[in-house]
Amino acid sequence: DTGVSQDPRHKITKRGQNVTFRCDPISEHNRLYWYRQTLGQGPEFLTYFQNEAQLEKSRLLSDRFSAERPKGSFSTLEIQRTEQGDSAMYLCASSPTGGSLRGSTDTQYFGPGTRLTVL
Amino acid sequence: GNSVTQMEGPVTLSEEAFLTINCTYTATGYPSLFWYVQYPGEGLQLLLKATKADDKGSNKGFEATYRKETTSFHLEKGSVQVSDSAVYFCALSAFSGGYNKLIFGAGTRLAVHP
Repeated sequence: DTGVSQDPRHKITKRGQNVTFRCDPISEHNRLYWYRQTLGQGPEFLTYFQNEAQLEKSRLLSDRFSAERPKGSFSTLEIQRTEQGDSAMYLCASSPTGGSLRGSTDTQYFGPGTRLTVL
Repeated sequence: GNSVTQMEGPVTLSEEAFLTINCTYTATGYPSLFWYVQYPGEGLQLLLKATKADDKGSNKGFEATYRKETTSFHLEKGSVQVSDSAVYFCALSAFSGGYNKLIFGAGTRLAVHP
């Protein structure tokens, strides 16, 4: 088990372009979270999935943002018509729901993040 | 609402010095408390956690005690190393809507020099 993985690690794009990020959680982790971290700040919650169901979205997630987890495994986060204010580190985390050898239910395990730069 | 306040950085120490990073929280209910560490260019790694009052979390020489009476979870280490240089985040886990949402502090950058 290699932990949570994210792809790409870095993305540079021009304003107005669409970008998509992928997150692969720890296997058998039902819960998946997306956070955004801007420079000098702590991560802020964006959205949460329980299996394939998106159960909560932060007000930070404007209409240009969409997240999916189609089969309850990997997840994608898409940003349409990117703006310079979208430049940030996008972090994915996962956690198990029941008693699990793959971690504690109240602990979220983070991936390395995708750093987005919008020019 | 729920919030976390950390001491501002950067904190600059010499190797083998004693480290304290203050963290206080505001929460309804009984949250779990965490310290995460972020090395340059990387994601967050769980450092330690405590799930109830008076619990002490510890890992790699770092310790923090869940103090309900002072709503604090200060991080300490007796002797820091250059390799401890990183950004440290205090967080609470608030159970709401059937899952735990993490609320983070702004982070405290630690720089340890030889």
